[in-house]
Amino acid sequence: GENVEQHPSTLSVQEGDSAVIKCTYSDSASNYFPWYKQELGKRPQLIIDIRSNVGEKKDQRIAVTLNKTAKHFSLHITETQPEDSAVYFCAALPSGSARQLTFGSGTQLTVLP
Amino acid sequence: SQTIHQWPATLVQPVGSPLSLECTVEGTSNPNLYWYRQAAGRGLQLLFYSVGIGQISSEVPQNLSASRPQDRQFILSSKKLLLSDSGFYLCAWSSRGSGELFFGEGSRLTVL
Repeated sequence: GENVEQHPSTLSVQEGDSAVIKCTYSDSASNYFPWYKQELGKRPQLIIDIRSNVGEKKDQRIAVTLNKTAKHFSLHITETQPEDSAVYFCAALPSGSARQLTFGSGTQLTVLP
Repeated sequence: SQTIHQWPATLVQPVGSPLSLECTVEGTSNPNLYWYRQAAGRGLQLLFYSVGIGQISSEVPQNLSASRPQDRQFILSSKKLLLSDSGFYLCAWSSRGSGELFFGEGSRLTVL
């Protein structure tokens, strides 16, 4: 089955700096890659996603890139703000009829004021 | 628009007591439904998923069970809770053919 590895597990940046979180996946047929943000005590919420026919997607200060050849995708947050502090999860959706999202282990991002 | 609700939001239960968490989805039909568990500071562990009424797949063997008595209702149960069952339980749904997963507000269970 699919296996998703996420790095780093913790990341601290100064306010205004950029943050990058990277994930690798094992199933070359995976075709959907979402990112979730989970604030303390809250539910994970989808913040951006990318499909395998696209190499990059942006939404204001966040962007996701996908390298299908290398089987890795990354989340980029620019001009970080304290409210960006949260746990971020990447995920990959394998192809096939019984498709379930496989999540990475999460990255605790702390933006220092 | 679609919404998902789960309850109760928090509960404290003694070891050996039963458990019932309920989740309902509105505004869609034939959703895929999921139960996840998240231990403190940990990742998302898929417990059960369902593609239709009465169809339950279990990902992790344990003392929990799930049922889907109606198209948009998903229930997580236990006959006897263990200390290790403590955690944050999340119900989620996705539409057929889409990978987008939407989570409920979560239920925080503490087993004492």
